[in-house]
Amino acid sequence: KAGVTQTPRYLIKTRGQQVTLSCSPISGHRSVSWYQQTPGQGLQFLFEYFSETQRNKGNFPGRFSGRQFSNSRSEMNVSTLELGDSALYLCASSPQLKRGASYNEQFFGPGTRLTVL
Amino acid sequence: LAKTTQPISMDSYEGQEVNITCSHNNIATNDYITWYQQFPSQGPRFIIQGYKTKVTNEVASLFIPADRKSSTLSLPRVSLSDTAVYYCLVGVPDDKIIFGKGTRLHILP
Repeated sequence: KAGVTQTPRYLIKTRGQQVTLSCSPISGHRSVSWYQQTPGQGLQFLFEYFSETQRNKGNFPGRFSGRQFSNSRSEMNVSTLELGDSALYLCASSPQLKRGASYNEQFFGPGTRLTVL
Repeated sequence: LAKTTQPISMDSYEGQEVNITCSHNNIATNDYITWYQQFPSQGPRFIIQGYKTKVTNEVASLFIPADRKSSTLSLPRVSLSDTAVYYCLVGVPDDKIIFGKGTRLHILP
């Protein structure tokens, strides 16, 4: 099976612009989560989508948004970019929605490295 | 939310067994403990998961004491390629996944 793919792999934007990142999950996986990773804050949860619905959301401003399509592919959008948005954005897929009693393994993509100038 | 505490960094030598301990004093009854490994410029990779006692797979072992307030990831006979960041995660009731800062493991020749 092909792994999680993310496009583009690298991106350079300037402050005030917006950006859209794409994630294709492993075939058959219905849950897609997004994370932001920076040297200072580590790996932070952005949001999770399952069956085209946002199921969980981290503590990020409304400039960060996402969506999931019927084929489980997902996009995340960041509007009005700030310098602090420079980070590695990781997408992870899993077969089903996580439940409290057990934690389904997540499969991560290689990430999109976003640089905001 | 069950918070986890891990050492920030560790050094070891090739061929040694490495044990990384994670504290999770507020772990809930239904929470599982999961470890991930991350190499530079790559996404994290699942290593092992457990609920209690001991779990072993081809990569590592996970030891969980009876009170489940901590867990230890054991990597047998490490090599240079095991240099990575290791994250301990505890299943959270609201399903948000908290990775924390992880432990930066550096294997020396």
